[in-house]
Amino acid sequence: DAGVIQSPRHEVTEMGQEVTLRCKPISGHDYLFWYRQTMMRGLELLIYFNNNVPIDDSGMPEDRFSAKMPNASFSTLKIQPSEPRDSAVYFCASSLSAGNTEAFFGQGTRLTVV
Amino acid sequence: AQSVTQLGSHVSVSEGALVLLRCNYSSSVPPYLFWYVQYPNQGLQLLLKYTSAATLVKGINGFEAEFKKSETSFHLTKPSAHMSDAAEYFCAVSERRGSTLGRLYFGRGTQLTVWP
Repeated sequence: DAGVIQSPRHEVTEMGQEVTLRCKPISGHDYLFWYRQTMMRGLELLIYFNNNVPIDDSGMPEDRFSAKMPNASFSTLKIQPSEPRDSAVYFCASSLSAGNTEAFFGQGTRLTVV
Repeated sequence: AQSVTQLGSHVSVSEGALVLLRCNYSSSVPPYLFWYVQYPNQGLQLLLKYTSAATLVKGINGFEAEFKKSETSFHLTKPSAHMSDAAEYFCAVSERRGSTLGRLYFGRGTQLTVWP
C-alpha cells in the first residue's frame, strides 16, 4: 500500500476563497482522522470518522470548516471562506479499529491563506 | 478525556549522550501508548507502541520506552544520540474502551536538538 495520500501538498489561496483538502486512507482502515498543526497550538484533532461516519467533530474550529467521507477510500476537509488564521499544516491519518493499532499519517498539506 | 503531558518542549543533547524524553498520561486505566517522530516537512511516523505486553518496548532507530503504571509514565530513551535523531517527538495515548475507542490523544511534542 502507498500509505495515506494527501493532496495537494501545498496550497496558497487568498482570503475568502474556498479550499478543499483531500485524503485517501490506507485500504482496510476503519478510522480516519484530520489534524491541524501550528506552532502556537501544536497538533489538534479536528474530526475523526469510523466506518465513514463522523464520530467527533468537536475540534472543528468554526462552521467554516466541514469534512466529509463519502466512501471508505476518500475524505475531504473544506474551508469556506478561508482566513489567514487557517494557515497551518493539515494532516490526515488512518488506522485499524480496536485502538491498539497505530495511526498512519499522510505527508500533510501546507495551507497558506494570504 | 485523556490528557498527555510532555515535560520540556525542547531538549538538547550532545551527540553520543543519553536521550530522555518524558511523557505522562492522565488515565487511571492504563491506555495504549505510542511515541511518534516527525522530521521537518514530513508526517508523523511511529517509533514504538505499548499495548500491554512487556513494559519495556523497543522501537526503531535504537529508541525504547518503559511503561510505568505507578508513575503513569511512558518515557522515551536512547542510550546514544545521533545527529539524525534531531526531530520532534510526540507521545500519544489511545483508550482501551469507551466511546472514544480508536482516538489518539497527543502531547504537545518535544523538539530534540543534537549538538555535534
